[in-house]
Amino acid sequence: GDSVTQMEGPVTLSEEAFLTINCTYTATGYPSLFWYVQYPGEGLQLLLKATKADDKGSNKGFEATYRKETTSFHLEKGSVQVSDSAVYFCALRRTGANNLFFGTGTRLTVIP
Amino acid sequence: EPEVTQTPSHQVTQMGQEVILRCVPISNHLYFYWYRQILGQKVEFLVSFYNNEISEKSEIFDDQFSVERPDGSNFTLKIRSTKLEDSAMYFCASDGVPYEQYFGPGTRLTVT
Repeated sequence: GDSVTQMEGPVTLSEEAFLTINCTYTATGYPSLFWYVQYPGEGLQLLLKATKADDKGSNKGFEATYRKETTSFHLEKGSVQVSDSAVYFCALRRTGANNLFFGTGTRLTVIP
Repeated sequence: EPEVTQTPSHQVTQMGQEVILRCVPISNHLYFYWYRQILGQKVEFLVSFYNNEISEKSEIFDDQFSVERPDGSNFTLKIRSTKLEDSAMYFCASDGVPYEQYFGPGTRLTVT
């Protein structure tokens, strides 16, 4: 069945460090891929998405590229800030369906 | 910016009791969802709702669960007889633009 495997956390980085959170998926067909972020006390917010192979989603300095050959959608940011501290969820939506499959989430803490 | 709201933020109930979790989706959205996240585990899809009926549901969504859109704004999840294992964070989401689900802040359900 469909699934998302996400890098285990927690991740602690110093401000301005480079961030990578790995995400790989298993799905038939051509799913759409998403990164959601959850700030403390808030709901899940869509961070970025990609709907087909080789698409790059980007938002707020974060990027992720849909790699069908490696079934991956790794999240990257060149220089993290304290305000990026949150839990990050990778998710997929398979073709023809509406519901999302989520990874376990990765907690990021950025220290000054 | 429009947002999905959920009430209550925290619900404590005794095993065997009925609970109703409430959500107000974004007003022009057409698809509505419930997800849950047991502490430390993945966010899991429960059910999707469109045009006043369930469009998809997971194996978690058994006869103890029901959903309803009682009026033009609210979307509710009812658990008829709660079990200890129902303790989780429950997220409501709604979907207007294709492939972009907007999530509420969640209701933490604690069953004692």
